[in-house]
Formats: sequence, C-alpha cells, structure tokens
Amino acid sequence: GNSVTQMEGPVTLSEEAFLTINCTYTATGYPSLFWYVQYPGEGLQLLLKATKADDKGSNKGFEATYRKETTSFHLEKGSVQVSDSAVYFCALKTGGFKTIFGAGTRLFVKA
Amino acid sequence: DTGVSQNPRHKITKRGQNVTFRCDPISEHNRLYWYRQTLGQGPEFLTYFQNEAQLEKSRLLSDRFSAERPKGSFSTLEIQRTEQGDSAMYLCASSLGAGTGTMNTEAFFGQGTRLTVV
Repeated sequence: GNSVTQMEGPVTLSEEAFLTINCTYTATGYPSLFWYVQYPGEGLQLLLKATKADDKGSNKGFEATYRKETTSFHLEKGSVQVSDSAVYFCALKTGGFKTIFGAGTRLFVKA
Repeated sequence: DTGVSQNPRHKITKRGQNVTFRCDPISEHNRLYWYRQTLGQGPEFLTYFQNEAQLEKSRLLSDRFSAERPKGSFSTLEIQRTEQGDSAMYLCASSLGAGTGTMNTEAFFGQGTRLTVV
C-alpha cells in the first residue's frame, strides 16, 4: 500500500542553520507530494507541493524536489528562524481521494 | 476568512456521552474529509464525502462514529458513547476533486477540534 516515511524528530537547530528533513514514499502510480506544517495547537497548513517527477515545490524559503528515482521528497531550508519551530508532515496523494501522511518531524529552532 | 472552519475548537466530555463536531469547508470544494490525529502521530483518514455522498470509511471508524454531509456543504461528525481512546484532534479538510479541471486537488485543513474524554 501507499505510505510515507520521514525522519524521526525532534530536530533541534540554532537560528540560521541549514535544515533538511528526509522523506521517502511508497506508492502505486504517480503521486502528488506535499509538505504540511502544524504550529502548536493548530491544524495543518500546506507548505509546498510537487505534482510530478523533478518538480520543485517552494514556499517561505522552504524547498523540496520530487525525486522519482529515489522515491524521495526531502524538505530543505537554507536558514531557519525561531518562527519555523513546528511539526512538519510529508504526505502523498495518488489518483484517489485521500492524503496519506508521515508521522511528522518536530523542529525546534533556538535563538 | 474563507478557509475550512471547525467548531468547537475544544470539547471535554465524560465517558459515555455523545459529541458532535461541525465542519464548514471551503465553499467551492466538493470533497470533504475527516481525519483523526493523536499525539505525536500524523493524521489518519476516517472518512470522505464527494458532495453529499459518503464514499469511503476507514476501518478506524467504528459503529459509534457517524458522519453526514446533508446538503453537500457543511459536515458533522458524531461520536456516540465516547471512550477515553476517542481522545484526539479531529481534523476536517476539503478539496476540489480530480475531474474538476484543475491540478490543485490538495487538501486544505481546518484548525481541528480537540476532544478530551474524561
């Protein structure tokens, strides 16, 4: 079945450090891939997406490239801020209707 | 605010009581989803509507759970005879469906209803 695996957290970084959160997926067909972010006590917000191989999604300084050959969609940011502290979820959606999520990676950014 | 709206934001109930949550999706979205999220986990799919039709239910959705979307707009999720294991964040999301002439079929989530069963 379809599934998403992402690196376990928490990830603790100092402000302005480089961020990578790894995500790999298993899917039949050609899924769309997403990163969602969840701030404390809030619902999920779509951060970025990519709908086909080699697409790069980007938003708010975050980037992720859809790599079909490695079935990966790693999230990166060149310089994190304290306000980026949140839980990040990698997700996929195939031609069906439901979005399948990874377990989430908590990021703490220290000033 | 034209996003997905959920009410209430928080609900504390005694074991055995019934609770009902409401979700108002983005108005032009024909698909509506319910997810459950427990602490430290990603959201797990519960059920899905296309317009007013409930097309899929997860095995997570026991007989005590029922969802409706009577006019294809807002939806309600009812849990009867609540148990402590029902304590979780219940998330509603909506999207456009494939075949609506758009590639933008990603789900947009509400802020969730946090249920605590004591």
